[in-house]
Amino acid sequence: DAGVIQSPRHEVTEMGQEVTLRCKPISGHDYLFWYRQTMMRGLELLIYFNNNVPIDDSGMPEDRFSAKMPNASFSTLKIQPSEPRDSAVYFCASSFSPEQGTGELFFGEGSRLTVL
Amino acid sequence: KQEVTQIPAALSVPEGENLVLNCSFTDSAIYNLQWFRQDPGKGLTSLLLIQSSQREQTSGRLNASLDKSSGRSTLYIAASQPGDSATYLCAVRRSYIPTFGRGTSLIVHP
Repeated sequence: DAGVIQSPRHEVTEMGQEVTLRCKPISGHDYLFWYRQTMMRGLELLIYFNNNVPIDDSGMPEDRFSAKMPNASFSTLKIQPSEPRDSAVYFCASSFSPEQGTGELFFGEGSRLTVL
Repeated sequence: KQEVTQIPAALSVPEGENLVLNCSFTDSAIYNLQWFRQDPGKGLTSLLLIQSSQREQTSGRLNASLDKSSGRSTLYIAASQPGDSATYLCAVRRSYIPTFGRGTSLIVHP
């Protein structure tokens, strides 16, 4: 398997613009997680899905952030409008359910977002 | 709410030393604990996964132990090498949600 695939790897945009980050999880995984990593706060869980259904979005900073998972092989994280404080590395991760398998978590390479 | 703490936050050692990195967590009702390595500008690479029913896992020069009753895990790195320089993070999975520590930044100098 190719692993978790994220795009774009780097995104530089101006404040107020819409940003869409994409993720393709490992085939068969039923859990998908979106994390944000900054020096100040470390890794923060934004939202996670189980079988394409959003389960907990309490980590989403505000209404400017939204995430979707239209099918088992694709998820998006959208920021509209973007602000400089959104600059961070956004990671997508996927796993099997820890009840059905090992629950080992696999990460993508991340999308580095810079908002000017 | 699960809280995960990693000590030390940073470590600098000469090549060849045996190292112990610590991870503690507040809620022992976990599914598993996973150790990751993160190189600068890169994603997280899984090193070892310990299920809640297990006490330890080994891979090469790495050994991770888990003591659920005390809420602690240690990552032991034998005969450290400059290539081991990276940030090491532990993640504790409870109620399906992985919670991460802030990591230990390791530098191994020749």
